[in-house]
Parts: sequence; structure tokens; C-alpha cells
Amino acid sequence: GAGVSQSPSNKVTEKGKDVELRCDPISGHTALYWYRQSLGQGLEFLIYFQGNSAPDKSGLPSDRFSAERTGGSVSTLTIQRTQQEDSAVYLCASSLTGGAGYGYTFGSGTRLTVV
Amino acid sequence: DAKTTQPPSMDCAEGRAANLPCNHSTISGNEYVYWYRQIHSQGPQYIIHGLKNNETNEMASLIITEDRKSSTLILPHATLRDTAVYYCIVRVGQTGANNLFFGTGTRLTVIP
Repeated sequence: GAGVSQSPSNKVTEKGKDVELRCDPISGHTALYWYRQSLGQGLEFLIYFQGNSAPDKSGLPSDRFSAERTGGSVSTLTIQRTQQEDSAVYLCASSLTGGAGYGYTFGSGTRLTVV
Repeated sequence: DAKTTQPPSMDCAEGRAANLPCNHSTISGNEYVYWYRQIHSQGPQYIIHGLKNNETNEMASLIITEDRKSSTLILPHATLRDTAVYYCIVRVGQTGANNLFFGTGTRLTVIP
């Protein structure tokens, strides 16, 4: 597609439930990133996929968070046993490569609210 | 990656040039300067980047000092739609670098 697509755009879930957030990167982009942004805060890095390499999971806040990227394209971020502090906007970005010559293209995000 | 320092907020009159400063005094020789902006309720948008030469594109100009310890993003004729949070980021330019570190940025308000 023309841009990075994320779904759903909004998700309200009950505390303790699992959620899955989806990201469709720009076709041909080998690098994919997940960030989250709490209300009024900057972006917090979560995880990075580059081609077929092992993902950089250094930003995942707990073992309740996991992500996968199937076939080098679509990515799913899964949050198990959601907590209220997980409420945030989850942003996905892709870039042609991980190199500095190419900027990131972000999706519009998924707003997650845990009640 | 080197850290950056930006003023938390700035105002600019509509139609005037907006000059957004960024200090990156610990920048390394192989680190690029990136600028992104985030309009309310949207994902960040890439604006421009550079290594040591000044850069210009359809959105903005980037002026990097000779010692590369600071830079300025210039929006030549600010419009109301330029109201956003502007992030200055430095990052090593190599494949495999893991992510961009977004600080708190500068909230630019363009005033009618």
C-alpha cells in the first residue's frame, strides 16, 4: 500500500485480556519498528525487525509483550494479560532499510485503552 | 546514540519563518541528524535529515553548524498546519541500527 497501515485504530479491552495489534508496512520495506506513546509523552521504542535477522526486543517492557513478523511483511504485537498501564497509542513504522539514508514512515497508530 | 536538547515549546506567527534549534554536542562523526514532527493524533512524519552539509527539501531546510554540535530546522513560511511537536534525533547511519530515540521534542504553535 501507499503507507503503513495499522489495525484496529482503537481498541478498548478489559484488564487481564489479551490483545493483538496489526501492522502492514510499506511493500518492500525490510525494517519494521514498534513504538508506544503514552498520553503527553514521547515515543518509547519496543521492538525492531530487520529482514530475516533476529529481532531487537530490547525495548519490550515485560514478558507479557511479544511480536512477530511473518514472511518479512505483516507484524503483530501481542500483549497478554493487559494492565491499565498498557494504555497508550501503539505506533508502527517501516523503512526501506535500517540505514540512515531512509526515513521512517509511521502508521496512524492503535489507541489501546485498558479498563 | 548521541542525546539532543531542544526547547520544550516555541511560538511562531503565521507566514513567518520558524527556526527550531537543537543541541547535540556529543554527536559522533558518523551520526546523522534527523528531524520528524508529530501532528496531534497522528504518527510522526519524517521531515529532513543531514550529516554535515546543509539540506533543503520541499518541507524545510536543515542548517548544521560546522562543528556539528547543533542544528536548526527552518520552516520558511509557517502555516497553522505546521503546529506540531518537532523531534530532533541523531543516529548512527548504518544498516542494523535498531531504532530512533525520540525525546520530548519542541512543541511549535503557529499563531494566526
